[in-house]
Amino acid sequence: AQSVSQHNHHVILSEAASLELGCNYSYGGTVNLFWYVQYPGQHLQLLLKYFSGDPLVKGIKGFEAEFIKSKFSFNLRKPSVQWSDTAEYFCAVIVYAGNNRKLIWGLGTSLAVNP
Amino acid sequence: GAGVSQTPSNKVTEKGKYVELRCDPISGHTALYWYRQSLGQGPEFLIYFQGTGAADDSGLPNDRFFAVRPEGSVSTLKIQRTERGDSAVYLCASSLGLDTDTQYFGPGTRLTVL
Repeated sequence: AQSVSQHNHHVILSEAASLELGCNYSYGGTVNLFWYVQYPGQHLQLLLKYFSGDPLVKGIKGFEAEFIKSKFSFNLRKPSVQWSDTAEYFCAVIVYAGNNRKLIWGLGTSLAVNP
Repeated sequence: GAGVSQTPSNKVTEKGKYVELRCDPISGHTALYWYRQSLGQGPEFLIYFQGTGAADDSGLPNDRFFAVRPEGSVSTLKIQRTERGDSAVYLCASSLGLDTDTQYFGPGTRLTVL
């Protein structure tokens, strides 16, 4: 069965540290990839998405993610985190199988940035 | 409206009761999604509407769950004979309609079944 795996469940960093959150999916066909973020007390919102083209995707607030097809990965990165990046981060994947599409979510990674 | 709205924000009910959860998508968005999120979990897909029809309801856990979108705008998620395991935050999202479109999420309805 298709699945999305986020390796880090809880991450604690100091401000200015670099961030990389892992996301791997298990599906060999066509996929669309997303990272969503949920700040404390706020709605889920899109950070970035990949559909085609350049596998290095730039998102909001200085985030980027790289799609590596051979590794089935879509890791999220930020070179220097801020306290305001404290949030829950979710990786999600749309898989296409014939006429069906299914959106599958990872369990999320909780990021805490200490000032 | 400016964003996706969901009502009620909180719902407490007793085991065995029937509940309805409402979602008002962003005006003009043809696609509407329902998710369920339990504590410490990612969103779990329930059902997806394109216009008035359910394009994919494969995520509905059983036949106690049903959703409608009769006019292609507001949607109602209906849960019959609620069980304690149904307790979760129910999220609604809408998008312009294509898979490439961003989904905009509502604040969710926190359902507690006692």
